[in-house]
Amino acid sequence: QKEVEQDPGPLSVPEGAIVSLNCTYSNSAFQYFMWYRQYSRKGPELLMYTYSSGNKEDGRFTAQVDKSSKYISLFIRDSQPSDSATYLCAMRNNFGNEKLTFGTGTRLTIIP
Amino acid sequence: DAMVIQNPRYQVTQFGKPVTLSCSQTLNHNVMYWYQQKSSQAPKLLFHYYDKDFNNEADTPDNFQSRRPNTSFCFLDIRSPGLGDAAMYLCATSRPGTGNTEAFFGQGTRLTVV
Repeated sequence: QKEVEQDPGPLSVPEGAIVSLNCTYSNSAFQYFMWYRQYSRKGPELLMYTYSSGNKEDGRFTAQVDKSSKYISLFIRDSQPSDSATYLCAMRNNFGNEKLTFGTGTRLTIIP
Repeated sequence: DAMVIQNPRYQVTQFGKPVTLSCSQTLNHNVMYWYQQKSSQAPKLLFHYYDKDFNNEADTPDNFQSRRPNTSFCFLDIRSPGLGDAAMYLCATSRPGTGNTEAFFGQGTRLTVV
């Protein structure tokens, strides 16, 4: 079993829809949770960063972490064609080990 | 305004011919990473430097080496590239212990082996 599982998609939704992206994980030591957006042929850029359980909102993006279920989500409201990209979840523990463990990424297309 | 810069963006090399990819950063971060990302796959950590301390992943092939001559620069050397080494190579940096633990990535170098 992979440490981090993410549905690779592809996922296509119409413009304006709410998008829900999810990851599950098995390592209970993970404390830091991140979502990266990666456009084609580019490096990942950080979208959201959350420590431990809870919600975090930034504009149209909301990140949720449920450590009891080992489940994290990214919601995109009022989705735009410019949101079309691959979304990678990433996480790491709190033991001074700086390694990030990534999901495989979900490829998202917003249809105008 | 670029913070993590990778050169070149695209590299074509011959099978078995050594190749070096470079990464520089203006963030003064003490941790630098090299990831390999193949199509539709998660980035896979090859190794990272915590300051001058080199940390190799157990499953990183011996064919891959790295150098970090100073804080700002880090190099990935592939001694004898095979067809299976064709991938996007991502450099990232972070600065742990500041409450800001996210990793910043460069734009990547896409390596083609012919």
